[in-house]
Amino acid sequence: EVQVVESGGGLMQPGGSLRLSCAASGFTVSSHYMSWVRQAPGKGLEWVSVIYSGGSTYYADSVKGRFTISRDNSKNTLYLQMNSLRAEDTAVYYCAREEQQLNYFDYWGQGTLVTVSS
Amino acid sequence: DIQMTQSPSSLSASVGDRVTISCRASQTIGSYLNWYQQKPGKAPEVLIYAAFNLQSGVPSRFSGSGSGTDFTLTISSLQPEDFATYYCQQNYLTPRTFGQGTKLQIK
Repeated sequence: EVQVVESGGGLMQPGGSLRLSCAASGFTVSSHYMSWVRQAPGKGLEWVSVIYSGGSTYYADSVKGRFTISRDNSKNTLYLQMNSLRAEDTAVYYCAREEQQLNYFDYWGQGTLVTVSS
Repeated sequence: DIQMTQSPSSLSASVGDRVTISCRASQTIGSYLNWYQQKPGKAPEVLIYAAFNLQSGVPSRFSGSGSGTDFTLTISSLQPEDFATYYCQQNYLTPRTFGQGTKLQIK
């Protein structure tokens, strides 16, 4: 059974750092495009970052230079390193797998809440 | 970046109604358009992929159409479990972008 489970969220002060994890089972993370998508409280979905199966990475302008997406193939886990956190980064962060052929988000985690506040 | 614009932003309807939600892309995206349903406190779930393909397990009352820049999600006969927020999303280019969402409420 395919499953992705996020962890690592919490309350952080502005300027702080946090690393989110997304543990995958039932498939190989490195064989799929894997994204982080976030949702601020009461707001819509915002794509944050993707790592392609080949290793290329891309970011939304709002997080470029502050966030880094990576994966550990031996642990079958996706990560999002978040630095220089801002209040506007407060959101539920979802890990999502893209289907291999048509690249829609076919599996999502339950989300992990990141709150940035002093 | 490709901008996705949904209309309406909210919609009130009754059980049994036929409902249509529109999504417009700021440039042509072929059929690279997906629809998701999200219920409060839950992760989104895909309903339709590649403009008109029904995801496995999704009821046939959901359908998608369109290509290029204009797309539509139709629910043929609303059921109580369909009251949720719906998002379109393009996967033609990175960054993947979502519409702002359409909240479907009970009338």
